[in-house]
Amino acid sequence: DAMVIQNPRYQVTQFGKPVTLSCSQTLNHNVMYWYQQKSSQAPKLLFHYYDKDFNNEADTPDNFQSRRPNTSFCFLDIRSPGLGDAAMYLCATSNLLTGWDNEKLFFGSGTQLSVL
Amino acid sequence: AQRVTQPEKLLSVFKGAPVELKCNYSYSGSPELFWYVQYSRQRLQLLLRHISRESIKGFTADLNKGETSFHLKKPFAQEEDSAMYYCALPNSGGSNYKLTFGKGTLLTVNP
Repeated sequence: DAMVIQNPRYQVTQFGKPVTLSCSQTLNHNVMYWYQQKSSQAPKLLFHYYDKDFNNEADTPDNFQSRRPNTSFCFLDIRSPGLGDAAMYLCATSNLLTGWDNEKLFFGSGTQLSVL
Repeated sequence: AQRVTQPEKLLSVFKGAPVELKCNYSYSGSPELFWYVQYSRQRLQLLLRHISRESIKGFTADLNKGETSFHLKKPFAQEEDSAMYYCALPNSGGSNYKLTFGKGTLLTVNP
């Protein structure tokens, strides 16, 4: 009954070689997020899509891009991965309806990225 | 800018003992705070939120605006409570559906 699915669970790439991480959801939520979490650190928001509108965090490096071709899918593209980009990448969704439940995030299991 | 501080990286208690996971925040305005939990080999998930004033799995958390704290408490810890706990609050400035997380506290409940 996985609702937010991330593939692959583990991804190994080479320094400088572009890599794409994928996320899909069966919840029909209108917001999708990408968080980066390094060891022993807080999940850090990279960007999010509110419907089709892309919202980048101010401190997200240009090396990180995202695509959302439809409601269900969202991709994280790292154009030239560096050693410092090795981390767990978490996809999350939320459903912004009127009311107070809009901040509840549903997370995927994450993709652990290694850069060699 | 908003900030969440979880001062304890690790917390270890015995089964049946009370547990308190600390969370302090800085935020302009009236915050809404959350606790998220990640059990071993599971995804990060919402545990509770202060606005609902609920008790989930025996855990409660009270927002103390004077102390800018939102500590998570349980009177009698169970082994199944062992997990990583994250305190979170929405970004200030109107985008209240983006969350800022603390670094987390790893709770271990020993038998």
